[in-house]
Order: sequence, then C-alpha cells, then structure tokens
Amino acid sequence: DQQVKQNSPSLSVQEGRISILNCDYTNSMFDYFLWYKKYPAEGPTFLISISSIKDKNEDGRFTVFLNKSAKHLSLHIVPSQPGDSAVYFCAASRGAGNNRKLIWGLGTSLAVNP
Amino acid sequence: NAGVTQTPKFQVLKTGQSMTLQCAQDMNHEYMSWYRQDPGMGLRLIHYSVGAGITDQGEVPNGYNVSRSTTEDFPLRLLSAAPSQTSVYFCASSYSYYQGYEQYFGPGTRLTVT
Repeated sequence: DQQVKQNSPSLSVQEGRISILNCDYTNSMFDYFLWYKKYPAEGPTFLISISSIKDKNEDGRFTVFLNKSAKHLSLHIVPSQPGDSAVYFCAASRGAGNNRKLIWGLGTSLAVNP
Repeated sequence: NAGVTQTPKFQVLKTGQSMTLQCAQDMNHEYMSWYRQDPGMGLRLIHYSVGAGITDQGEVPNGYNVSRSTTEDFPLRLLSAAPSQTSVYFCASSYSYYQGYEQYFGPGTRLTVT
C-alpha cells in the first residue's frame, strides 16, 4: 500500500515556465513533508519541507503547497531551469520519538527543455 | 566539511561473498541510516542508528548487519550476498534524533551480485 503517491512518473517543461510536481498521501497522521531532488549517480539532496500546520513554504524559486483536506502537496518551480532536470521525491513523516517513520514516494522525473 | 562519504562507489560480488559498505559523516550527526533504491520501489530503509552503540531495523533489514561504534561511522555489512541485494545503497545522516526530518545523503554505492 503506497501511502505517498507521486502519480506522474515524468514531466517535461520548457525553460522559464512553471514546473508543478504533485504528491498525494493517504494517512492524515503525516505531520511533516519533504521534497528531495536527485541527479543521476548522486544521492538525494534535500530541497524544501513543510509542516502540517502550514499551507505554504517558499524558498527562492521553490514553493511547496499543502492542502490537508485533499491530502495533497505540490512543489512549484518558477522559473524552471535546465539544471532543475532531476528526479524529485516527495516524503512524509509521522509518529513520535523512536516510532517516527518516514515514507517516500517513487519519484517524478522532471525534464526542463532549453 | 566532506558531508557524508561512502565507499566504494561500485562493487561486483559473487553470490555468497561478504562485504562491508562504508559510510562516514563529519557533521556530528547522531542519526544515520542506510537505504536501498531499486527501480519502481523508491527508497527503502534498511537499518538506522540514533547514536553510537544504538541501531535498529528499518523496513528491509534481512541480509544486512550494522553497528555504530563511533558517531562518525556507520558501516553496512552483507554477510552472504544474494542477487536480490543488487541495488544502489545510500547512507544518510541527520541533525535530528528521529526519522522524518532533513537528511544529508552520500553519493551512493552501486552493488551488483552475480
């Protein structure tokens, strides 16, 4: 049972336009969400996060939106650049202390075309 | 800061052989973890540690052993390699004691078991 779903395996966007990557989750107990970016042959790199008490977090060209009622979050990249071409993973965490768990989505491959 | 380092980058093993994947971090993080990434499966947690001398199992621990004698190092041992362990392995560390927060990943070890 995939608790964190990234339903689009791939996305292609023109340079300068907006990229929107989506993530859905099934467990309302998730209270913290993260986005990671991964280039080929490298480890994932933390990009941006959001707590469930917020509905938006912004960091430069990257903004994450959280819609708790829809159990949906999205990552917006504006403007998109060719260097943004990578696989983007959504992850969600829940629980307290040593029982805290992190669940990963399967990733969306973003291609930004010059 | 070197961040999280992993050795080797590539390894080919025969079925039944043993080996240790090395991981080290220089950020004084207490939390360290090992993941494997397989096509269509996302990132899956193998083992983790919340400090020197403390380790615990993740989602897919079978066939792997870990120990944590120092804050810096967290090696992953394959006692008897199997083809099902062919994967890309990532080590990660975090400032948080618990799962679910920002982690720093190493570059990965690509392991092939024939």
